[in-house]
Amino acid sequence: DAGVIQSPRHEVTEMGQEVTLRCKPISGHDYLFWYRQTMMRGLELLIYFNNNVPIDDSGMPEDRFSAKMPNASFSTLKIQPSEPRDSAVYFCASSPPGRGHTGELFFGEGSRLTVL
Amino acid sequence: DAKTTQPTSMDCAEGRAANLPCNHSTISGNEYVYWYRQIHSQGPQYIIHGLKNNETNEMASLIITEDRKSSTLILPHATLRDTAVYYCIVRSGTNAGKSTFGDGTTLTVKP
Repeated sequence: DAGVIQSPRHEVTEMGQEVTLRCKPISGHDYLFWYRQTMMRGLELLIYFNNNVPIDDSGMPEDRFSAKMPNASFSTLKIQPSEPRDSAVYFCASSPPGRGHTGELFFGEGSRLTVL
Repeated sequence: DAKTTQPTSMDCAEGRAANLPCNHSTISGNEYVYWYRQIHSQGPQYIIHGLKNNETNEMASLIITEDRKSSTLILPHATLRDTAVYYCIVRSGTNAGKSTFGDGTTLTVKP
């Protein structure tokens, strides 16, 4: 089975540009999570969805960040405008149906973002 | 949600058991203990989880103390490929989003 697929794997952009990160969860999973990892702050939960509906976005750092899940097989995390402090690895994870609260998370390989 | 405390780093000889401790003294009744590991800059990988009973799977064993305030992940025969950062987290049974990854333990398996 294909795992969680993220794109792009690497992104280098200039400050002020819009960045869109994409995630395809494992088929049949009904929870989707976006995490950010930096050396300073470790792995932080940004937002998570259940059945395509955002449940908790309290981890989203500010209004420049937005996430959508238009259908069960696709989610985006957008940063507009991007800033150098947004440089990080962004991970998407999904969880099996009905077990988002207690089930294991399956992570993608991450998208490494560098904002110059 | 309960926070966890783990040693920053540990070494283990190849072929020996690696025992990774985790303290979660403020864990509540509906919170599960989860272990993940992250190799290099790959995405974290699920290892095992438990509520109050000891658990074992093909990767590892999880020993949870009777008071649930601490746990130990055991890799029975560590290999060089087990070198990674190991995260112990506590997840609420009612709100998935409130689980927090700490700094983890960097396990180095040496030949």
